[in-house]
Amino acid sequence: NAGVMQNPRHLVRRRGQEARLRCSPMKGHSHVYWYRQLPEEGLKFMVYLQKENIIDESGMPKERFSAEFPKEGPSILRIQQVVRGDSAAYFCASSTIVKNTEAFFGQGTRLTVV
Amino acid sequence: AQTVTQSQPEMSVQEAETVTLSCTYDTSESDYYLFWYKQPPSRQMILVIRQEAYKQQNATENRFSVNFQKAAKSFSLKISDSQLGDAAMYFCAYRSALTQGGSEKLVFGKGTKLTVNP
Repeated sequence: NAGVMQNPRHLVRRRGQEARLRCSPMKGHSHVYWYRQLPEEGLKFMVYLQKENIIDESGMPKERFSAEFPKEGPSILRIQQVVRGDSAAYFCASSTIVKNTEAFFGQGTRLTVV
Repeated sequence: AQTVTQSQPEMSVQEAETVTLSCTYDTSESDYYLFWYKQPPSRQMILVIRQEAYKQQNATENRFSVNFQKAAKSFSLKISDSQLGDAAMYFCAYRSALTQGGSEKLVFGKGTKLTVNP
């Protein structure tokens, strides 16, 4: 049973480019969470999605960031016109529809903006 | 909004000894969950232990146990018989049981870096 798969593991982008981070949840999981971890910090919630729906985006920056979880395929976190401050590790976690069960994390994508 | 505070940026312990990592949190809710996650250099977030707030009994998982003091809003992690493989960042996390719109997002502390000395 494959875990949560994130790719790429490492991504380097120049300032002004777009970054696309992918997350394939565990089999049978329909809920996806994205978190950001800045250097020397804990993880901070960004967005919660179910298939084809954004449920909670209270942690998403208002500009340049977007997320989707289509009916088919992985969840995508998209950052447009990246800036140096976007450099961080981005984690995805997935869970089932059953309440209060554990969410499983992927290994994260390390984004470096140069 | 809930907050989680880990007041020890770094801790060290001798192999085979016991270490306790501190965590306090702030919430006005009565029903919630608390977690300790381990993050080794590989970056993988690994769930170490979980505590339901409605349970008075402290959770244990092998060498890992917690001291949950609900009135004091304290949730410390004790690692017994420390091993070299325990070296990692440890994060305390909070999750509300009152899921607004179904969101079960976690609120994390800043972490404690644990070093295990041979």
